[in-house]
Amino acid sequence: SQQGEEDPQALSIQEGENATMNCSYKTSINNLQWYRQNSGRGLVHLILIRSNEREKHSGRLRVTLDTSKKSSSLLITASRAADTASYFCAVKPSGGGADGLTFGKGTHLIIQP
Amino acid sequence: DVKVTQSSRYLVKRTGEKVFLECVQDMDHENMFWYRQDPGLGLRLIYFSYDVKMKEKGDIPEGYSVSREKKERFSLILESASTNQTSMYLCASRLSGQTSYEQYFGPGTRLTVT
Repeated sequence: SQQGEEDPQALSIQEGENATMNCSYKTSINNLQWYRQNSGRGLVHLILIRSNEREKHSGRLRVTLDTSKKSSSLLITASRAADTASYFCAVKPSGGGADGLTFGKGTHLIIQP
Repeated sequence: DVKVTQSSRYLVKRTGEKVFLECVQDMDHENMFWYRQDPGLGLRLIYFSYDVKMKEKGDIPEGYSVSREKKERFSLILESASTNQTSMYLCASRLSGQTSYEQYFGPGTRLTVT
């Protein structure tokens, strides 16, 4: 089955720096979403970008989507210690079918104080 | 705000036991999902339900069953727990017809089978 794949698997940066995570997928999609998971908790929806959009902003988050390369990136600007978490991309394949999302394996982000 | 709750945060069961994981959402969502999350494998869909008494297999349904007798409640059943079912189990829900397909997750149940 189709799967989003995040890159890198782990990322450690200093507080205040920007963090960039990438996601690749394999087939046509309806939309791509990013979720955050704090340690041992459930996932929280961060932002969604539709297949006809190229860039979207929400607060300190910026998401880009390149459907020709089947890839997306999530940028977190001015990182904070509270941003330490795992970040997952999830895709909704186009063409109908089941309602489930397909999640990647995640990027574990550590913000060093 | 949508609230999705799961009956236990941590659960320890013995091999061969029948295990019930309960999930309840309070926003009248039609669609509900069960995932398991394992290191290096991400989230994998076990089962989902479009509505009451309706269920569909996900990517890894073997060894599991589900029950959806009421709209707000979606139960995951391990008929005979095995050690390879030790995992984090996440429940999610979404509103049918919502074009974003955004899912709302519960806090997870970490199940250990010994």
